[in-house]
Amino acid sequence: EDQVTQSPEALRLQEGESSSLNCSYTVSGLRGLFWYRQDPGKGPEFLFTLYSAGEEKEKERLKATLTKKESFLHITAPKPEDSATYLCAVVTTSGTYKYIFGTGTRLKVLA
Amino acid sequence: NAGVMQNPRHLVRRRGQEARLRCSPMKGHSHVYWYRQLPEEGLKFMVYLQKENIIDESGMPKERFSAEFPKEGPSILRIQQVVRGDSAAYFCASSPGRVTYNEQFFGPGTRLTVL
Repeated sequence: EDQVTQSPEALRLQEGESSSLNCSYTVSGLRGLFWYRQDPGKGPEFLFTLYSAGEEKEKERLKATLTKKESFLHITAPKPEDSATYLCAVVTTSGTYKYIFGTGTRLKVLA
Repeated sequence: NAGVMQNPRHLVRRRGQEARLRCSPMKGHSHVYWYRQLPEEGLKFMVYLQKENIIDESGMPKERFSAEFPKEGPSILRIQQVVRGDSAAYFCASSPGRVTYNEQFFGPGTRLTVL
């Protein structure tokens, strides 16, 4: 069964304290991996798409990387406004283009 | 350049009533997806539609739930005879639907509360 696991479930960082969030996946075949940010009471906001192992994408303080088994979302020198839940989703080669989501990492950045 | 629109944002129903959730995709997007987010749980796929077609409904409960995306107008997710367990946030997403895979863009969600 296709599965996506995110860790840690929750993370508290001091402002400026860099860290990484993990998304590991077990799927029949990977079509794409997606990172989203979700603020309380809002819909997920798209961040990155990764398609193949070795691929990297960057945006401001965020950098996403992909291997054959997992993806990392690196947060460099985070600010309080980076506080949110970060979601990872995959689309597999079996079936249609539906997302399979992990349960997310709740990030809190303290000033 | 409006994003995905959903209405209502909040919906309160009593047990046994019907709930209708609407979703207007981004301009130029022809693929619509519905997801449900239960409290303290992740987002779960429900159904994937293109105009006038249901492509994948493998995540839809077999009873009481239905979805449509007509030629004209928004996509509708309908829940008949709601029960307390239907209380959740329902998100709609859309994508352009070109041959190569595209990311999905999400609406703000409809929060359904069943009393």
